[in-house]
Amino acid sequence: DTEVTQTPKHLVMGMTNKKSLKCEQHMGHRAMYWYKQKAKKPPELMFVYSYEKLSINESVPSRFSPECPNSSLLNLHLHALQPEDSALYLCASSKTRASYGYTFGSGTRLTVV
Amino acid sequence: GESVGLHLPTLSVQEGDNSIINCAYSNSASDYFIWYKQESGKGPQFIIDIRSNMDKRQGQRVTVLLNKTVKHLSLQIAATQPGDSAVYFCAENTFFRSQGNLIFGKGTKLSVKP
Repeated sequence: DTEVTQTPKHLVMGMTNKKSLKCEQHMGHRAMYWYKQKAKKPPELMFVYSYEKLSINESVPSRFSPECPNSSLLNLHLHALQPEDSALYLCASSKTRASYGYTFGSGTRLTVV
Repeated sequence: GESVGLHLPTLSVQEGDNSIINCAYSNSASDYFIWYKQESGKGPQFIIDIRSNMDKRQGQRVTVLLNKTVKHLSLQIAATQPGDSAVYFCAENTFFRSQGNLIFGKGTKLSVKP
């Protein structure tokens, strides 16, 4: 298995809702990442996990809460989001943080209404 | 031709022609560079990479050139096909003391006319 799987593919949520994005990989990678991508813009790094520990939080608002329950899973919990948080959320993984290549999932298209 | 405006820079080429996509990077300490292809509704897909101790690397139909003096990276696609239509991002990483993060450049939309 050489894929990063993200679910759901699409999500519409209200500003008072709580939802979660899920990311899964079975390549034995020990570094996992969340990126946010707005339309016509490059992906921007949000969080980095290394060996299931949060390594980097790129000044992301607390309404985004990451979780890495085990080496194969990465979640992003969403609460009280704003319409401007609507974007494509991409998950990626690499063997370790010192590895050069990242494998990306197809993303979750999030719309906040 | 290439256009840069308020939106994503776009490069339009005829099928069969060669394409050259350019990227300027900012961090002189970056030691690894990747080109990704992103099709509509999909995540970035690895195309080719190059380390800073090289100035050229070739793959199948693609070549990456690195000019560290002017911090410039280019992707050349030979015999461009309609399936090459996508947004192309360069990305840079820095592994000094294993503190690297993959940072993306602005992106260029490649449009291939049949």
